[in-house]
Amino acid sequence: ETGVTQSPTHLIKTRGQQVTLRCSSQSGHNTVSWYQQALGQGPQFIFQYYREEENGRGNFPPRFSGLQFPNYSSELNVNALELDDSALYLCASSPWTGGIQETQYFGPGTRLLVL
Amino acid sequence: RKEVEQDPGPFNVPEGATVAFNCTYSNSASQSFFWYRQDCRKEPKLLMSVYSSGNEDGRFTAQLNRASQYISLLIRDSKLSDSATYLCVVGGFKTIFGAGTRLFVKA
Repeated sequence: ETGVTQSPTHLIKTRGQQVTLRCSSQSGHNTVSWYQQALGQGPQFIFQYYREEENGRGNFPPRFSGLQFPNYSSELNVNALELDDSALYLCASSPWTGGIQETQYFGPGTRLLVL
Repeated sequence: RKEVEQDPGPFNVPEGATVAFNCTYSNSASQSFFWYRQDCRKEPKLLMSVYSSGNEDGRFTAQLNRASQYISLLIRDSKLSDSATYLCVVGGFKTIFGAGTRLFVKA
C-alpha cells in the first residue's frame, strides 16, 4: 500500500462543467504531481506542486489548474470540460531532493468521463 | 520525435521466456530513470530505478546507456504474473512517461 489516496474514484460530468479532483500524498512526501492517462497511452504530466507552488507544468491549457495545501494534499481543477478530458487522472507523491525527480508513488486514480 | 519512445508491442511470450524492452529518450539533460509496471485499470507501480552501472532485482535487469540515451529492461524466466504494461520513465525538470509496452505471458 503506497499511502497515496485520491477521491473520487469515478466521476461523470458533461461538457462545459467544472471538476475538482483530490489527492492526499504519502506521509513524508512534500511534492505532488498530476498526470492524465488516456486509454492505451502512458501518463501525461500535467503539473507538479512543491511547497504549495506550481513547480513545473506539461503541455496542458490554463483551464487545468491546481492547488497544494500546507499538509501537502492537492487538488486538480479542470474548467470548461471537453470530451477529450475523459481519462484516468493520477496523482503521485514523492520527496523533493533539490530538482532531481525521485521515485513517485501513485494513487489509484480518478476515472473521469465527460459526456 | 517523442521525448520518450518505447517498443510498441505487444509482446506475446511463453512462460519461461526471456523478454527485453527498449526505450530511448531525447533530452540529454535527463537525470533519473525508472521502469514502472501498470496492470490493467490500475495505477503505475515502481518496478525499479535504472542506473548507469546497471541494476538487477531477481529476474529483472535494467540498464542505462547515457551516451546512446537508451534504457533497457530484461525479464528472465517470465511468469504469468509478469503480464502487464511496462512504462519507461525519464525524469528531469519534468517527468516523462513512455507510452508503455504491453506484455502477455502465456502458459
